[in-house]
Amino acid sequence: AQKITQTQPGMFVQEKEAVTLDCTYDTSDPSYGLFWYKQPSSGEMIFLIYQGSYDQQNATEGRYSLNFQKARKSANLVISASQLGDSAMYFCAMREDNQGGKLIFGQGTELSVKP
Amino acid sequence: IAGITQAPTSQILAAGRRMTLRCTQDMRHNAMYWYRQDLGLGLRLIHYSNTAGTTGKGEVPDGYSVSRANTDDFPLTLASAVPSQTSVYFCASSATRSTGMSDEQFFGPGTRLTVL
Repeated sequence: AQKITQTQPGMFVQEKEAVTLDCTYDTSDPSYGLFWYKQPSSGEMIFLIYQGSYDQQNATEGRYSLNFQKARKSANLVISASQLGDSAMYFCAMREDNQGGKLIFGQGTELSVKP
Repeated sequence: IAGITQAPTSQILAAGRRMTLRCTQDMRHNAMYWYRQDLGLGLRLIHYSNTAGTTGKGEVPDGYSVSRANTDDFPLTLASAVPSQTSVYFCASSATRSTGMSDEQFFGPGTRLTVL
């Protein structure tokens, strides 16, 4: 069974609009972490945001926020005020704390920002 | 400059040849990881090391081996390369808190390997 699912292979958004990238996860470990990474066309992996399973508040980092719905096992990334430089692949990943620091990645969503 | 370096940047390799991908970090992170990235499959963990002297198998370890002689270096070896090992390989590292939970992983720039 997929532990991390990103159901949107590709998405388009108009510049300056907000966009939500979906991520659902599956774990029986009560302690886990959820991460989002950005991979631009240059290929590097850039950490964006982290949410711990026990965190009471949704994580925010600048224009990035994580809509964490624990009961639904979803951890959607919201990018506000999209910029052309946001065009990239976005990966959701999960760390199960009983498995150490290993990350399980989703298949990714390719975001294209239109001017 | 602090970070992770990988070498080579890219390589074309004949099937059956042995190849070692190098990874070095200068952040004194305890944990290091090797992933491969294939189109449509995201990143998959090959091997990992929680601390120098220890290693473990990830999701797709077959055909690969690793060693962790010191904190900084974590080489990945393909003993006898096959075309299905054509991929982009990423090395990553993270700090590990005393509770065993680790922080975010920092990634190297990747090595693009083609096996013919």
